[in-house]
Amino acid sequence: GQNIDQPTEMTATEGAIVQINCTYQTSGFNGLFWYQQHAGEAPTFLSYNVLDGLEEKGRFSSFLSRSKGYSYLLLKELQMKDSASYLCAGMDSNYQLIWGAGTKLIIKP
Amino acid sequence: IAGITQAPTSQILAAGRRMTLRCTQDMRHNAMYWYRQDLGLGLRLIHYSNTAGTTGKGEVPDGYSVSRANTDDFPLTLASAVPSQTSVYFCASSEPGDGTDTQYFGPGTRLTVL
Repeated sequence: GQNIDQPTEMTATEGAIVQINCTYQTSGFNGLFWYQQHAGEAPTFLSYNVLDGLEEKGRFSSFLSRSKGYSYLLLKELQMKDSASYLCAGMDSNYQLIWGAGTKLIIKP
Repeated sequence: IAGITQAPTSQILAAGRRMTLRCTQDMRHNAMYWYRQDLGLGLRLIHYSNTAGTTGKGEVPDGYSVSRANTDDFPLTLASAVPSQTSVYFCASSEPGDGTDTQYFGPGTRLTVL
């Protein structure tokens, strides 16, 4: 079956670094996506990885290991506005997204 | 402003009533999707359309229908609403030819069925 696993909730301190992990099992693989979703709002696209390695985009970086079925999202210099849920999604062979339940990130001052 | 609009923003509906959620995009994306999001669960695909004139069933299609008469609009209809359809509904679109097929989401419709 297809499955995405990520932690339910994480807490971090303003100014610190946090890593949100995601493991995936999909029928075929056409990329791994990370989205950010603030409470009561729509998911917004953060990153896409299809090749192994690290993609850096400002304070946010995303890593992929296809052999391990593993990805992480790294957030640096945390700000209060980073408090949100982070959704991991794998794209299967039919180009459909399989979604994790999301990781709620709580930032404390 | 380019993007996706959804209407209504929220709705309370009596069980058994028919309801259509509207979704319009102005990005000329070929693919469109309807998801529902429930607490503790990931987004679940209800129906999708790869291009105007075609539709397909997702993971949870029962009780829902869609149509795609043109590129911009993708309405979702609940023929006879039931309380288990209480959820937040998101419409999304993507352009499969852009290399990543990234999906972009509308603001959502919060639906309560009593």
